[in-house]
Amino acid sequence: DGGITQSPKYLFRKEGQNVTLSCEQNLNHDAMYWYRQDPGQGLRLIYYSQIVNDFQKGDIAEGYSVSREKKESFPLTVTSAQKNPTAFYLCASSIVGTGSIGQPQHFGDGTRLSIL
Amino acid sequence: GENVEQHPSTLSVQEGDSAVIKCTYSDSASNYFPWYKQELGKRPQLIIDIRSNVGEKKDQRIAVTLNKTAKHFSLHITETQPEDSAVYFCAASPPYSKGGFKTIFGAGTRLFVKA
Repeated sequence: DGGITQSPKYLFRKEGQNVTLSCEQNLNHDAMYWYRQDPGQGLRLIYYSQIVNDFQKGDIAEGYSVSREKKESFPLTVTSAQKNPTAFYLCASSIVGTGSIGQPQHFGDGTRLSIL
Repeated sequence: GENVEQHPSTLSVQEGDSAVIKCTYSDSASNYFPWYKQELGKRPQLIIDIRSNVGEKKDQRIAVTLNKTAKHFSLHITETQPEDSAVYFCAASPPYSKGGFKTIFGAGTRLFVKA
């Protein structure tokens, strides 16, 4: 059954701690994304990756880091530099179309991060 | 920066009535417009999308219209049912050559369908 798996579902961070959110996909998609969702603000792009070993900052990358060592995996680290990390984090993936028009994104179930 | 404005933020309708959600985008290069539905505690899921070479698209009770001149697109749900209750997000993407991986999402519309 193809899809995107995010773990954990809930995560708690202590002051000064880095935490890593996992995202794995078996859809054979080249592109992967991380979004932050806050109440009333929709989805905001943190980082995206078009291909293995390459990633780009989105609109709110400060305090976050990513890696893309495998096509299937795109983990997000929330560092201690992110002063307001409490949010719902969504990972997504998509194919990269051969034309110039975008493609739909497939989302995981999300990780809810809170500060202890 | 580029943005997508979505209205209304909350919409309450009676079962069987129609619901309309409107979005306006700022990036004139945008050429792909998906709509996602997010039920409480679940992942967003694509319900319909439209590309800039099309003015209208319909899928059963759901339709989307696009006015490129006005940079405006809308979602129409007819014969609403209680299971349509969810948060709906519109989004706009430019071509890959102009930042197409940076999809911009609207803030969402919470739809309540009263039985």
